[in-house]
Amino acid sequence: DGGITQSPKYLFRKEGQNVTLSCEQNLNHDAMYWYRQDPGQGLRLIYYSQIVNDFQKGDIAEGYSVSREKKESFPLTVTSAQKNPTAFYLCASSIGRAAEGTGLNQPQHFGDGTRLSIL
Amino acid sequence: DAKTTQPPSMDCAEGRAANLPCNHSTISGNEYVYWYRQIHSQGPQYIIHGLKNNETNEMASLIITEDRKSSTLILPHATLRDTAVYYCIAKEGLNDMRFGAGTRLTVKP
Repeated sequence: DGGITQSPKYLFRKEGQNVTLSCEQNLNHDAMYWYRQDPGQGLRLIYYSQIVNDFQKGDIAEGYSVSREKKESFPLTVTSAQKNPTAFYLCASSIGRAAEGTGLNQPQHFGDGTRLSIL
Repeated sequence: DAKTTQPPSMDCAEGRAANLPCNHSTISGNEYVYWYRQIHSQGPQYIIHGLKNNETNEMASLIITEDRKSSTLILPHATLRDTAVYYCIAKEGLNDMRFGAGTRLTVKP
């Protein structure tokens, strides 16, 4: 089945460590997104990528980094500069710019998330 | 993208229709209305979206008012598994999804 796979489901980080969250999709989507969700709140955009080898900062990019070397993969690194990294991280993808007309309004599809905690 | 307003919580009896309202009075002509739901500790699940016509799929129906300033998501026969937080989003094109606090729907036996 096509979908978005995030791994691991749970991740623990020690103070001062960088950690990388994986996001893979086999939907042949051009656009990919990373969101952060804190308890009882909505999603906030960290980074997004509309095409391979290109990405843009979202609303809360500080302390995070991404890469988009392959269409299927959009890993997120939570660096030691992120002072409050404990959160639920969600990856999403959509058809993106490859679509025309109403295709640009196709929905984003989400993975099941990674819950990051600080030890 | 237009701001959306939803009630913080709603209850529904199992087997009855659940009608979830959303206000988007500042929506522009090119913005679509999207509905997602999120069950605890899972990623948001896409439900349905539309521009101005009513839409129906296997999960739900979306009713958009003629002036497009509000919409209603209808789950025709709610089950306990429909208990979740439901998000209404107005978005145009490739802009990112702006999730608010949503409506917490509780389906009761």
